[in-house]
Amino acid sequence: QTVVTQEPSFSVSPGGTVTLTCGLSSGSVSTNYNPSWYQQTPGQAPRTLIYSTNTRSSGVPDRFSGSILGNKAALTITGAQADDESDYYCVLYMGSGIWVFGGGTKLTVL
Amino acid sequence: EVPLVESGGGLVQPGGSLRLSCVASGFTLSSYWMHWVRQAPGKGLVWVSRIYSDGSSTAYADSVKGRFTISRDNTKNTLYLQMNSLRAEDTAVYYCATDRGYGMDVWGQGTTVTVSS
Repeated sequence: QTVVTQEPSFSVSPGGTVTLTCGLSSGSVSTNYNPSWYQQTPGQAPRTLIYSTNTRSSGVPDRFSGSILGNKAALTITGAQADDESDYYCVLYMGSGIWVFGGGTKLTVL
Repeated sequence: EVPLVESGGGLVQPGGSLRLSCVASGFTLSSYWMHWVRQAPGKGLVWVSRIYSDGSSTAYADSVKGRFTISRDNTKNTLYLQMNSLRAEDTAVYYCATDRGYGMDVWGQGTTVTVSS
């Protein structure tokens, strides 16, 4: 079974730039996998940041951007702020109606 | 106004059943595909199931296939998840989410399911 991989944790300095990635245990992520990214703070529902690889959801600041980097999907946060400290999840479409989430990345801003 | 509100969660014994509901407010549910996603305590998001806008197609994660059934009643603006043969590992917060054709979009606040004796 294909596993979607994310860095378990990452840290960034305030004002800095960080790139989180979303890969596959076997194979490369392409736009065909329709990668999306979600932000979640403890006790809250997820918030959609990016869909279809690089389209920002309504109201999401342009500090957040999505792309394909090499063989992975990527979420880049530029000018990191304290309230960006959250868990970030990617999800990939595997075909036949099946979606698989990555394990999530815990981002610390310090 | 919260656009999606889940309900129906609670405490159930192993082997028992529950039916979750997700009611849409302020928009027409029939325009969207819909998903259920769950999150066990302290764990990550896990996709559970998806249904087309007209209910003509459904898909399930292997972990719930044959035990869970997703359905919808567009006349009631409501999505459902019938959960049978529940196991301890089904304990989670269950979220519903809309899909405009490219993945989960608007999320509800979740309802908690606890499977325990």
